[in-house]
Amino acid sequence: GQNIDQPTEMTATEGAIVQINCTYQTSGFNGLFWYQQHAGEAPTFLSYNVLDGLEEKGRFSSFLSRSKGYSYLLLKELQMKDSASYLCAVKDSNYQLIWGAGTKLIIKP
Amino acid sequence: GAVVSQHPSRVICKSGTSVKIECRSLDFQATTMFWYRQFPKQSLMLMATSNEGSKATYEQGVEKDKFLINHASLTLSTLTVTSAHPEDSSFYICSARNEDSNTEAFFGQGTRLTVV
Repeated sequence: GQNIDQPTEMTATEGAIVQINCTYQTSGFNGLFWYQQHAGEAPTFLSYNVLDGLEEKGRFSSFLSRSKGYSYLLLKELQMKDSASYLCAVKDSNYQLIWGAGTKLIIKP
Repeated sequence: GAVVSQHPSRVICKSGTSVKIECRSLDFQATTMFWYRQFPKQSLMLMATSNEGSKATYEQGVEKDKFLINHASLTLSTLTVTSAHPEDSSFYICSARNEDSNTEAFFGQGTRLTVV
């Protein structure tokens, strides 16, 4: 079967750095996505990785290792508004998105 | 950037009635739209893939006669929850694929459906 694993919940301090991990086992791979979802709202796109390595975009970076079936989202200089759920999703061989359950990130002052 | 508009954002209906949710791509043509359902504290669950001009493809376990999908134009897909029951109460989200972009999708704002 297809599976996306990420921690259920993480807590971090304002101004600090946090890394959210995602491991996947899917039938084929056509890219990995990270989305941010605030409670009661739709997800918003953060990043897309299809090749190994690190993609940096402002305070957010995303890393991919296809051989390990592993990705992480790195958030720097955390702000209170970063409190949200972070969803990892993989596009499989049928170009269908397989979603992780999301990681709820709690930011404390 | 691309925008997807979903309407209504919130609806309360009586058990047994039907509810229609609209999903519009505002600045691009979407040959494919996706409908998701998300229960509290759970992941997005794909319900169906909506294809313009053809029948929708439903995921296993999703009743096509209960969740009617119509994708009559390149910018509009609708999901109708027929004979709604309290267990259909959920957060429904649509997304539209921009064929020119590598990102899956742009999401609508979501619709919070409460069936009483």
